[in-house]
Amino acid sequence: ETGVTQTPRHLVMGMTNKKSLKCEQHLGHNAMYWYKQSAKKPLELMFVYNFKEQTENNSVPSRFSPECPNSSHLFLHLHTLQPEDSALYLCASSQEGINEQFFGPGTRLTVL
Amino acid sequence: EDQVTQSPEALRLQEGESSSLNCSYTVSGLRGLFWYRQDPGKGPEFLFTLYSAGEEKEKERLKATLTKKESFLHITAPKPEDSATYLCAVQALGNQFYFGTGTSLTVIP
Repeated sequence: ETGVTQTPRHLVMGMTNKKSLKCEQHLGHNAMYWYKQSAKKPLELMFVYNFKEQTENNSVPSRFSPECPNSSHLFLHLHTLQPEDSALYLCASSQEGINEQFFGPGTRLTVL
Repeated sequence: EDQVTQSPEALRLQEGESSSLNCSYTVSGLRGLFWYRQDPGKGPEFLFTLYSAGEEKEKERLKATLTKKESFLHITAPKPEDSATYLCAVQALGNQFYFGTGTSLTVIP
């Protein structure tokens, strides 16, 4: 595997389900990000981790819970989501001090 | 208020018809400006980083330029495979990232 990978690529869940999104980066970076992308809206930064420490949480509802066990892996745990949470969830990584972010393919989430 | 605005929202070009996409920004201080390409159903693919006014970067048919208030992505003699959404992002001095809503480019054979 190369670059940034995300699983699953597609997810359909009910409002009472619990699921997790997984991201893995193979670039040796030390910063990882979760973004939400909705139609006709700019990418919304959700969470930032630098060296496994969460450094940013942009007022994201508690039904989204991130986890970063090491600098290569990032999870987004989902529970009791709402239909308006349906979107493309993108993971990205970068090397601190070099600001380009490299994105994964995303997980298309649909909440019924 | 810090923000990034891209125009036009959508652009249709004939193959070989050159044009430019615009990204205007207002931030308290610019650390870097980034251009990405995004194909349907995929994540954004990094194209360029620009750091200071007057800087230019080129890659194949694409050329990015930067002024103190905006950036342009010039597309010279585009081909159908250049069809995609092009995203602009700005990193402010406080390390906040701001993305535009993108320009959807369609190149017609």
